[in-house]
Amino acid sequence: NAGVTQTPKFRVLKTGQSMTLLCAQDMNHEYMYWYRQDPGMGLRLIHYSVGEGTTAKGEVPDGYNVSRLKKQNFLLGLESAAPSQTSVYFCASSYSSIRDGHFGPGTRLTVL
Amino acid sequence: AQTVTQSQPEMSVQEAETVTLSCTYDTSESDYYLFWYKQPPSRQMILVIRQEAYKQQNATENRFSVNFQKAAKSFSLKISDSQLGDAAMYFCAYRSANTGNQFYFGTGTSLTVIP
Repeated sequence: NAGVTQTPKFRVLKTGQSMTLLCAQDMNHEYMYWYRQDPGMGLRLIHYSVGEGTTAKGEVPDGYNVSRLKKQNFLLGLESAAPSQTSVYFCASSYSSIRDGHFGPGTRLTVL
Repeated sequence: AQTVTQSQPEMSVQEAETVTLSCTYDTSESDYYLFWYKQPPSRQMILVIRQEAYKQQNATENRFSVNFQKAAKSFSLKISDSQLGDAAMYFCAYRSANTGNQFYFGTGTSLTVIP
């Protein structure tokens, strides 16, 4: 039981490049989330999904897109990376709307 | 949107002593869940403790306990017999029981444990 995994763990991009972050969970959770963590700002929600095939915007969705084609996977895409997207990205999942969140190990992204 | 406030960016405690981390939240709902997460230097977010708003009894997990004051919208974390391994960033989080699509996080408190 691997829990929540994230790929990659580190990445450096140049401004304008694109990339996809992969989140996978093996706990059959319905809810999945992408957060970004910046110093002094806590965790802010980018996008989330309440089930396979569904996605919704969170607090800071601009510049990101997501897809949930399979229940176990939640992809976060950056189409044209900007330095403001330098951050640590966390994926999380939850069995239901009232249960705890299980977090992945995070991805540190640097955009030059 | 709900807001969660942690007014102590940094705290320190002597090993074996007790420390209390503060958290307040703003909501108009009556049914919700509150959490404390620990983030050590490894970056992994770890659930420390959880409190259901409908329960009057404060949650306890070994050396960790909370003081939940629903009317005051306050949810503090008490760590007893502090250990070096407790050094971490601690985040308070809120989740609605009715529209619980997301967790709302505070900005965190960095806890240092002094040997």
